Amino acid sequence: QVLLVESGGGLVKPGGSLRLSCAASGFTFNDYYMSWIRQAPGKGLEWLSNISGGDTTIDYADSVMGRFTISRDNAKNLLYLQMNSLRPEDTAVYYCARDRPWWDLLTPFEYWGQGTVVTVSS
Amino acid sequence: EIVLTQSPGTLSLSPGERATLSCRASQTVSTNYLAWYQQKPGQAPRLLFYGASSRATGIPDRFSGSGSGTDFALTISRLEPEDFAVYYCQQYGRSPYTFGQGTNLEIK
Repeated sequence: QVLLVESGGGLVKPGGSLRLSCAASGFTFNDYYMSWIRQAPGKGLEWLSNISGGDTTIDYADSVMGRFTISRDNAKNLLYLQMNSLRPEDTAVYYCARDRPWWDLLTPFEYWGQGTVVTVSS
Repeated sequence: EIVLTQSPGTLSLSPGERATLSCRASQTVSTNYLAWYQQKPGQAPRLLFYGASSRATGIPDRFSGSGSGTDFALTISRLEPEDFAVYYCQQYGRSPYTFGQGTNLEIK
């Protein structure tokens, strides 16, 4: 079955960096776009970034452009989010989600990880 | 970016009643790339509908999705106790993908 497991969250000071990982299994990883989404405490969902299966196409939300970098390692079935220049408002649960396959742009985030908590505080 | 506005913010109903949740987009959502998610406390969101009206795997048929262009709706025909949760719409036709602010469906 499809499984997504995030890791790498924790407590970091403002201005610091953190790298999140998402281990994927149960599907052909490089067939799918992958996305990162976050949810601040008590707030709604915010899409952050996605990357195509062959990492030829990458998009970011304005709120993280220039600070966060998405990448993937298809040999290891891993998705990453490098987060730099972190701010207190980046405090959230960070989810990875399986985005659309290259052959079907209609089906969005059908599978999500359980999330990893990032806290940015001094 | 496309802004999605969900209404109402909170909906208080009893089990067995019908629920209608609205999602309005600031611009036309291309090819109806509109999804609905359900989220319960402490859990990741669960996909309910994609393409505005295509039910995701395992979603009961008391749930239905409708709409096109800028106006979309999620309807639950008869509420079950497990349906009380927060519901989000999302457009994924144009980057950045955006979510609505959510509707909290609570037990009356």
